[in-house]
Amino acid sequence: KQEVTQIPAALSVPEGENLVLNCSFTDSAIYNLQWFRQDPGKGLTSLLLIQSSQREQTSGRLNASLDKSSGRSTLYIAASQPGDSATYLCAVNDGYGGSQGNLIFGKGTKLSVKP
Amino acid sequence: NAGVMQNPRHLVRRRGQEARLRCSPMKGHSHVYWYRQLPEEGLKFMVYLQKENIIDESGMPKERFSAEFPKEGPSILRIQQVVRGDSAAYFCASSPRGVGATQYFGPGTRLTVL
Repeated sequence: KQEVTQIPAALSVPEGENLVLNCSFTDSAIYNLQWFRQDPGKGLTSLLLIQSSQREQTSGRLNASLDKSSGRSTLYIAASQPGDSATYLCAVNDGYGGSQGNLIFGKGTKLSVKP
Repeated sequence: NAGVMQNPRHLVRRRGQEARLRCSPMKGHSHVYWYRQLPEEGLKFMVYLQKENIIDESGMPKERFSAEFPKEGPSILRIQQVVRGDSAAYFCASSPRGVGATQYFGPGTRLTVL
């Protein structure tokens, strides 16, 4: 059974810092991995999707890497801003067996960027 | 192109009542997923539907919960005889195809059971 873990659970940094959020998964046979952002009381915004054949994806100040063999992904945020404050969720799509492509989520990292 | 729409955004029910949550997928999307987020918990998959078909309901509680995605109209998640433990945020996601496609999430329905 696939399990997704995110470390740390919470992170507080001063504005301008570069930071790394970590995600690990137990079964490396994944179809893809997706990073989301969730603001309090709001829905999920997709940030980056990495297919299993890819090693990384970039969008603006965000860079996500994937090491499928070790079951790890990182989300790198450059030059953090207060507007980056949110909960960041990692989800894997293993698409095999009975899962039919549903996403398996970690519990998230709650990021606070102080001005 | 409007995003995924969910209504109501907030729903309050008393124990024993029924809750109906609606999800309109993005235009052109025929795949719908429902997830539940309990307080202080991660999102958990409930059910995956295509038009008129339930593809995977392995995450749905066996009793009181049902889902449908008719040929016309939104997908409906129905909870009968709600209990306090059903209080959660319920999210719907849609995609243009199944396995491996990006899922686009709606804003969620926050259900509170009194």
